[in-house]
Amino acid sequence: RKEVEQDPGPFNVPEGATVAFNCTYSNSASQSFFWYRQDCRKEPKLLMSVYSSGNEDGRFTAQLNRASQYISLLIRDSKLSDSATYLCVVRPGGNNRLAFGKGNQVVVIP
Amino acid sequence: DAGITQSPRHKVTETGTPVTLRCHQTENHRYMYWYRQDPGHGLRLIHYSYGVKDTDKGEVSDGYSVSRSKTEDFLLTLESATSSQTSVYFCAISLDTVPYEQYFGPGTRLTVT
Repeated sequence: RKEVEQDPGPFNVPEGATVAFNCTYSNSASQSFFWYRQDCRKEPKLLMSVYSSGNEDGRFTAQLNRASQYISLLIRDSKLSDSATYLCVVRPGGNNRLAFGKGNQVVVIP
Repeated sequence: DAGITQSPRHKVTETGTPVTLRCHQTENHRYMYWYRQDPGHGLRLIHYSYGVKDTDKGEVSDGYSVSRSKTEDFLLTLESATSSQTSVYFCAISLDTVPYEQYFGPGTRLTVT
């Protein structure tokens, strides 16, 4: 079983709409959780860390469900500039190694 | 900006030749990583370093070696490049405190012909 699984999409989203997607992780002992954003032919960039109580950064909301071992990301009022691939990332154990999902591709349509 | 640079940014090389990619950081982070990214596979860890001269293998280390003689530089060497090593290579650093998020360099696009 893969450490982190994501539905690659693409998720075609009308501008101004809300889009949400999840990823699941296999290691129940995972300790840190992140969403990264990756634009085409660019490096991944940290979008936000995900905390147990859930957290929000502007139009972006992240949730963690430890019982079901999934993480979610919701984007409200989608902008054209939100078009990117969103990587779900988990730190599975006690060291610094991260496990990456393959990403959710989001395409915001005018 | 985590002050990470990679060189070269693009390289085309022939099968069987040695190739060295360089990652340079300016902020004295202890942990450094090399990943490759291929369509359908996502980011996969090749090697990582937890200090000068301290390195360990990742999940796809065959055919690669690394060296770290200074805190700021982490080198990835393909001893004899193969076409299967055509990929985009990213270097990363991680912060030394929880949650240990990582920051990436701009990447090197390597083509082995």
